[in-house]
Amino acid sequence: NAGVTQTPKFRVLKTGQSMTLLCAQDMNHEYMYWYRQDPGMGLRLIHYSVGEGTTAKGEVPDGYNVSRLKKQNFLLGLESAAPSQTSVYFCASSYPTAEQYFGPGTRLTVT
Amino acid sequence: GEDVEQSLFLSVREGDSSVINCTYTDSSSTYLYWYKQEPGAGLQLLTYIFSNMDMKQDQRLTVLLNKKDKHLSLRIADTQTGDSAIYFCAERGTSGTYKYIFGTGTRLKVLA
Repeated sequence: NAGVTQTPKFRVLKTGQSMTLLCAQDMNHEYMYWYRQDPGMGLRLIHYSVGEGTTAKGEVPDGYNVSRLKKQNFLLGLESAAPSQTSVYFCASSYPTAEQYFGPGTRLTVT
Repeated sequence: GEDVEQSLFLSVREGDSSVINCTYTDSSSTYLYWYKQEPGAGLQLLTYIFSNMDMKQDQRLTVLLNKKDKHLSLRIADTQTGDSAIYFCAERGTSGTYKYIFGTGTRLKVLA
């Protein structure tokens, strides 16, 4: 099993550009999450999904959109990137009452 | 709201024990987790403890939970240079099974 994978691993965007981050898991997990990690701030939840076709806002959802069209995939979109969105983005998945499994992260720089 | 706090840095000598501390505010937490993050990698689950337990031991790792003080600790015995990483504690409450609150992480540096 590959576990949780994320693409791309690195990306540099100019302000105003858009992009989509892809998360895929092969563990048949119901729940999927997107976090961002910034120095000294730990992990902050952006959006999450409790099942195919459903999404919900987390702690810091502004400027991001998500979609969960297939159970195994969770997409995070930035419609108009801003320098404040420079961060490392982590995807995670889990069964409803169990620990989360994390992907390797995507390092995004917005100039 | 819920909050999880950790000290930012810890430095120990190789072979010594490391103790990483965490305090949380949600008294309804059901599970508390410790994750390890190595440079350039995602978070990896190390261990977890259910809220009705006081202690859990797993090889070199000992987790202590003081529910009264809402204090969680992770002790690493015989710390090795390969243990250098950032350690996150996280809690999962009962208000929603999706809701995990992560601490800011403690960067452990092991000196040879």
